[in-house]
Amino acid sequence: EADIYQTPRYLVIGTGKKITLECSQTMGHDKMYWYQQDPGMELHLIHYSYGVNSTEKGDLSSESTVSRIRTEHFPLTLESARPSHTSQYLCASTQGDTLHFGNGTRLTVT
Amino acid sequence: QKEVEQDPGPLSVPEGAIVSLNCTYSNSAFQYFMWYRQYSRKGPELLMYTYSSGNKEDGRFTAQVDKSSKYISLFIRDSQPSDSATYLCAMKTSYDKVIFGPGTSLSVIP
Repeated sequence: EADIYQTPRYLVIGTGKKITLECSQTMGHDKMYWYQQDPGMELHLIHYSYGVNSTEKGDLSSESTVSRIRTEHFPLTLESARPSHTSQYLCASTQGDTLHFGNGTRLTVT
Repeated sequence: QKEVEQDPGPLSVPEGAIVSLNCTYSNSAFQYFMWYRQYSRKGPELLMYTYSSGNKEDGRFTAQVDKSSKYISLFIRDSQPSDSATYLCAMKTSYDKVIFGPGTSLSVIP
């Protein structure tokens, strides 16, 4: 089973706060991804990385930023949270074609 | 038109029924096809992966790909209550990122 961890699992935060969603994997995968998932909607890619010091924006415009300083760690940061950021955020990694997902962070911005 | 279309359901079947889940796509460059299962409050997990037309069987699950019709299916035989989840089809070209369908919510009633 894939070992990819996301923290926190649930987060409720007020508008304007800065938050960082953590994602770590122990498989040594080079490629990592952040997806946003709303109920009944497809997963939307918001950021990806193909290795250390490599980050790219995905297909869905996002006000978040990411960093990849270590292979195993791919945190996502929102500088100023807004209610429109309320969603589920899923982190994934791969070394081939198939993705391994974490259990997600459900973010609610009030 | 979205690249990947999937009936969102919800689909409700009695235990023991055969379930058919389907996706259509528009990009003829897609070469790799996947089905993911997502339980409530969990991340998606890979169920089936195939890269050729035809059928691939794994236990009670059969994945079918028809590239000429741009149509993929997942069949679940002898469905169990534990199969209740959202099923996401996904696909990619040889060089691009994974594209997901919106998922079909399945409930198997004991």
